[in-house]
Amino acid sequence: DSGVTQTPKHLITATGQRVTLRCSPRSGDLSVYWYQQSLDQGLQFLIQYYNGEERAKGNILERFSAQQFPDLHSELNLSSLELGDSALYFCASSVGLAGGPIGELFFGEGSRLTVL
Amino acid sequence: LAKTTQPISMDSYEGQEVNITCSHNNIATNDYITWYQQFPSQGPRFIIQGYKTKVTNEVASLFIPADRKSSTLSLPRVSLSDTAVYYCLVGDRMDTGRRALTFGSGTRLQVQP
Repeated sequence: DSGVTQTPKHLITATGQRVTLRCSPRSGDLSVYWYQQSLDQGLQFLIQYYNGEERAKGNILERFSAQQFPDLHSELNLSSLELGDSALYFCASSVGLAGGPIGELFFGEGSRLTVL
Repeated sequence: LAKTTQPISMDSYEGQEVNITCSHNNIATNDYITWYQQFPSQGPRFIIQGYKTKVTNEVASLFIPADRKSSTLSLPRVSLSDTAVYYCLVGDRMDTGRRALTFGSGTRLQVQP
């Protein structure tokens, strides 16, 4: 158990719909990261927040948005869903800015989104 | 945008040592190199992290040459349970100056009996 909680674990929806994925980081972790992993693909970095502030953006579509709340949990909003959005969405947290000496990422179990 | 490059797949047998190399030519001065292991339908799990030279823990060793443009994860005496995808991760400076974390495509390690 990494200490990172993601809900829901599974989600099935239709094209054109909107969903919200939720992530609760480990206690004390200030950074939250979102990754997308399509079937048999690598991890695509979407976005990072640090203490409520957006810190970095990766290949995140304009239809997707995210935010980190004062209690440090984060939500990833996916709208106008397309078939190609079907994937595992992982949230990770770390104490500080990853890449430095305290940058170990702790991943949740992921939210599996299926768009029909 | 800096990228990491790893072999797509590797095969090994139980009891052998496995070395997986990652190329990261544009690593930033302050970046650490971290390796993760991922099993199917699970989130990646931290294996080891280093900055330079050699780091060893109870499961792996990490070798980083002086120029830090590559790193090698060494798994001693692998077992069937080491069959997984292995990713190296370094900080990635984007055009805006903000940092992102980009995983490479990963190396799929298959351990045979």
